[in-house]
Amino acid sequence: NAGVTQTPKFQVLKTGQSMTLQCAQDMNHNSMYWYRQDPGMGLRLIYYSASEGTTDKGEVPNGYNVSRLNKREFSLRLESAAPSQTSVYFCASTSRGLYNEQFFGPGTRLTVL
Amino acid sequence: SQQGEEDPQALSIQEGENATMNCSYKTSINNLQWYRQNSGRGLVHLILIRSNEREKHSGRLRVTLDTSKKSSSLLITASRAADTASYFCATDAWGGSEKLVFGKGTKLTVNP
Repeated sequence: NAGVTQTPKFQVLKTGQSMTLQCAQDMNHNSMYWYRQDPGMGLRLIYYSASEGTTDKGEVPNGYNVSRLNKREFSLRLESAAPSQTSVYFCASTSRGLYNEQFFGPGTRLTVL
Repeated sequence: SQQGEEDPQALSIQEGENATMNCSYKTSINNLQWYRQNSGRGLVHLILIRSNEREKHSGRLRVTLDTSKKSSSLLITASRAADTASYFCATDAWGGSEKLVFGKGTKLTVNP
């Protein structure tokens, strides 16, 4: 099993450009998450999806959109990138249940110039 | 705002010593988890402790939870250079168990 995979690993954008970060998991998990990690800030939840076809906002959703394409895939889109969105983005997944250990992807390092 | 706050922000020790990290949180929780992040990598789950548990062990890891003080500690015994990483606590919050709130982490350096 590959676990949680993310593409791309690195990306540089210019202000105003758009891009989609891809995430897929092969563990048959119901819930998937997008986080951003900034120095000294820990991880902050952008969006999450409890099941296919459902999404909900997290702590910092502004400037982002998401799509839960199917049970395996959860994408994060930046419509008009801003320098404040320079960060490392992590996707995670978990099976439903009382004890929700999350499994993380390797991250995408995004720089917006 | 963040639910969990780790203390200290950074810790540097010698190989073989024990490392203790603390986490405080603000609201009632169902469980508390600890994760490790090696430089440039994603987070890896270490251990979960439920709100009705006071202590839990896993290998060289020992976690305690004091719900009356809303705090937890992670002890790594006989540390190794390979334990060098950032450690985060995470709690379920907002009334549900599907979302976790992470603290800012403790950066541990174990010197050979």
